Amino acid sequence: DIQMTQSPSLLSASVGDRVTLSCKASQSIYNSLAWYQQKLGEAPKLLIYSANSLQTGIPSRFSGSGYGTDFTLTISSLQPEDVATYFCHQYYSWPLALGSGTKLKIK
Amino acid sequence: VQLVESGGGLVQPGKSLKLSCSASGFTFSSYGMHWIRQAPGKGLDWVAYISSSSGSVYTDAVKGRFTISRDNAKNTLYLQLNSLKSEDTAIYYCAGRGPYYFDYWGQGVMVTVSS
Repeated sequence: DIQMTQSPSLLSASVGDRVTLSCKASQSIYNSLAWYQQKLGEAPKLLIYSANSLQTGIPSRFSGSGYGTDFTLTISSLQPEDVATYFCHQYYSWPLALGSGTKLKIK
Repeated sequence: VQLVESGGGLVQPGKSLKLSCSASGFTFSSYGMHWIRQAPGKGLDWVAYISSSSGSVYTDAVKGRFTISRDNAKNTLYLQLNSLKSEDTAIYYCAGRGPYYFDYWGQGVMVTVSS
């Protein structure tokens, strides 16, 4: 089974900062990687699929990159409404697997 | 697109529960669907998938205890939970569409397994 490891588990940054979240797969998943945002008390929302494709309606300050085992979610200019937990998800092989999440806070 | 779960609640260990997810706004019969769960204060765990032709896949932790099914005439996805354990306590989300990433999610339904 493929394991997904996210780092850091907690990240604190200031409004306007460029923020980078990391996700590593235990084996190559090519570009079969999605990112989700989950705000407190809400269902998750798809941000990025195929490692770097922005889901419709998601602000352009969000971007994804990576291939193989190493992936990154970048927020180019952090906004207060971006406070949330972010999860990566591999869909290359069964069983599907999600990372444990990065909780993003505002300093 | 709207996904609305129902059927959650408090259940004793070893008992059963059936969750439903009513879908609207898309051609339900054409898409595979998933169940994903989230234990209190924890991350997301994929549980099961059913294809448009009703083939299914499960995570090891629920194999033999949970059954995913669908009724395309009713635009409804189901998850039958049997032999429930305390570690099954979670919010259960239905999500879709297709076998890959989850582009739509329901609001979730809480299942609590406790005596």
